[in-house]
Amino acid sequence: AQSVTQLDSHVSVSEGTPVLLRCNYSSSYSPSLFWYVQHPNKGLQLLLKYTSAATLVKGINGFEAEFKKSETSFHLTKPSAHMSDAAEYFCVVNPSSGSARQLTFGSGTQLTVLP
Amino acid sequence: KAGVTQTPRYLIKTRGQQVTLSCSPISGHRSVSWYQQTPGQGLQFLFEYFSETQRNKGNFPGRFSGRQFSNSRSEMNVSTLELGDSALYLCASSLALTSTDTQYFGPGTRLTVL
Repeated sequence: AQSVTQLDSHVSVSEGTPVLLRCNYSSSYSPSLFWYVQHPNKGLQLLLKYTSAATLVKGINGFEAEFKKSETSFHLTKPSAHMSDAAEYFCVVNPSSGSARQLTFGSGTQLTVLP
Repeated sequence: KAGVTQTPRYLIKTRGQQVTLSCSPISGHRSVSWYQQTPGQGLQFLFEYFSETQRNKGNFPGRFSGRQFSNSRSEMNVSTLELGDSALYLCASSLALTSTDTQYFGPGTRLTVL
């Protein structure tokens, strides 16, 4: 069984300050992990993905995430927030084994960026 | 390359009716998955199709069904609509079925059941 826990439902930062969105996962197999972003009334856009290569993954728009197996975490960071980063962010796990290939989504973190 | 398209974008139905939603994947993608997004339950997996065959199914009642055509386009159908079926239905496509394949999402169909 697999699960994803996003530790904060809401995060608020000031423009130009760092962003940290936290995600812990549970998976019976070595998982693939993803971060997606959803802007209002839009579909989901892939930010980055981890697929057992480098543990530090760089994504689009200056975001990156570090896979830490010992902590079962995959936190998303960005050095400097921009107003356009305001959106909902989803941490997603996909098992790497077996026929049960389906994405399991976290509950989402709403990021607010203050001017 | 065009992204995933979903039609219609918005739909209003009444209880007891049925509805069909359509999804066109990215050209060359053979896998299509469907997800339901609601404020209460978040994003939940409905089913996945590959080469016209359902490969995986989430925990939804039989009122929810789908199919995939030879050109990889997919439809999902919901019969005997209930108020709780009001949601954003998202379709995602990927090249194949491996766990590392990225799923690309469409903009969704917003279904409102009155």
